[in-house]
Amino acid sequence: SQTIHQWPATLVQPVGSPLSLECTVEGTSNPNLYWYRQAAGRGLQLLFYSVGIGQISSEVPQNLSASRPQDRQFILSSKKLLLSDSGFYLCAWTSDLRLAGLYNEQFFGPGTRLTVL
Amino acid sequence: GEDVEQSLFLSVREGDSSVINCTYTDSSSTYLYWYKQEPGAGLQLLTYIFSNMDMKQDQRLTVLLNKKDKHLSLRIADTQTGDSAIYFCAEGFGSSYKLIFGSGTRLLVRP
Repeated sequence: SQTIHQWPATLVQPVGSPLSLECTVEGTSNPNLYWYRQAAGRGLQLLFYSVGIGQISSEVPQNLSASRPQDRQFILSSKKLLLSDSGFYLCAWTSDLRLAGLYNEQFFGPGTRLTVL
Repeated sequence: GEDVEQSLFLSVREGDSSVINCTYTDSSSTYLYWYKQEPGAGLQLLTYIFSNMDMKQDQRLTVLLNKKDKHLSLRIADTQTGDSAIYFCAEGFGSSYKLIFGSGTRLLVRP
């Protein structure tokens, strides 16, 4: 069965510090991978998605970046955190659409709660 | 453009039915989804409906889809305190890698 991991679970960082959040998926190959941010009391904002190694699509301009160094690894980074980067970060995966047809349920990880002080 | 809207909050008494509503703008979606998010956790898929269906029932859950009005609803029968969570509707498109999520409805079940 497939499993998705995120770490760390919680993180408190000072403004201006760097960030690295990691997401890994087990039990599947060539997944599509997604990073979302959920600000307090708000909906989901899609930040990045990736359909393959080294392929990153950015949805919103920001001081965050994403990388996919391996098939089942997705990393969210920042060189200098802002207060507005605080939130709950969720990673998700879905099957390669070429195989899944039109149904593209996304499976979410447990999330990382980031507080920037 | 793509936009999915939900009311922010719903409060019901335990044992009553809950109805969570969602409206969307893009009628080319192939599947529509309902996700549940419990406090401090990720989202989990509750149910989904193919866009050419009007209704889907799954135990206590009933999904109604009105394509003409671009309206999706989730009815939870005999709502329990464990149903308290945030519920997100989402649109999926066959040609896109993305799901478009609504802002989420926080359901509070009072004992």
